[in-house]
Amino acid sequence: EAQVTQNPRYLITVTGKKLTVTCSQNMNHEYMSWYRQDPGLGLRQIYYSMNVEVTDKGDVPEGYKVSRKEKRNFPLILESPSPNQTSLYFCASSLWTGGEQYFGPGTRLTVT
Amino acid sequence: QKEVEQDPGPLSVPEGAIVSLNCTYSNSAFQYFMWYRQYSRKGPELLMYTYSSGNKEDGRFTAQVDKSSKYISLFIRDSQPSDSATYLCGSGQGAQKLVFGQGTRLTINP
Repeated sequence: EAQVTQNPRYLITVTGKKLTVTCSQNMNHEYMSWYRQDPGLGLRQIYYSMNVEVTDKGDVPEGYKVSRKEKRNFPLILESPSPNQTSLYFCASSLWTGGEQYFGPGTRLTVT
Repeated sequence: QKEVEQDPGPLSVPEGAIVSLNCTYSNSAFQYFMWYRQYSRKGPELLMYTYSSGNKEDGRFTAQVDKSSKYISLFIRDSQPSDSATYLCGSGQGAQKLVFGQGTRLTINP
């Protein structure tokens, strides 16, 4: 089944404790992206990647890192999480930049 | 001003009604347009994707894009309670990021 998977689905952590949210797609898509979704603000892009080793900032990149060492994986790293990063995070992928994006199931992160 | 504006609602209509959901965008360079449906606690699900002005129909759903007025619409015919969800519009350009509206929460009442 073609899909985007994310792990973990739920995470509660404390301020400053480094964490990684994994994202993987099995559709051989070139483009991958991370979004956060907050009430009243909608989906906002954090980082995106147009191919392996090619990443760029979205609208809200502060406090996040990404890497794209393999085509299928695009992990999101929070080096020192803060409470304002409490949010619902989605990974998405598309065959090409500008193509239909397919979203993962989401990761609900709470930073206390 | 946000690049894509969408009325967050909530919008509540009776079953069987025609639903009209709308977005406006400010960037005239936007080339492609998408509508997503998002159920509570789920990821957005792609409903419609279009690359040009005009109408695109898929079953009970019709997406309409008017590039001259920078207006995007989604029509749902014969609405069902299962259509109750948040609907997100998105627009983008070439290699640039996809920008989303805030989402409209829709409830279809049996």
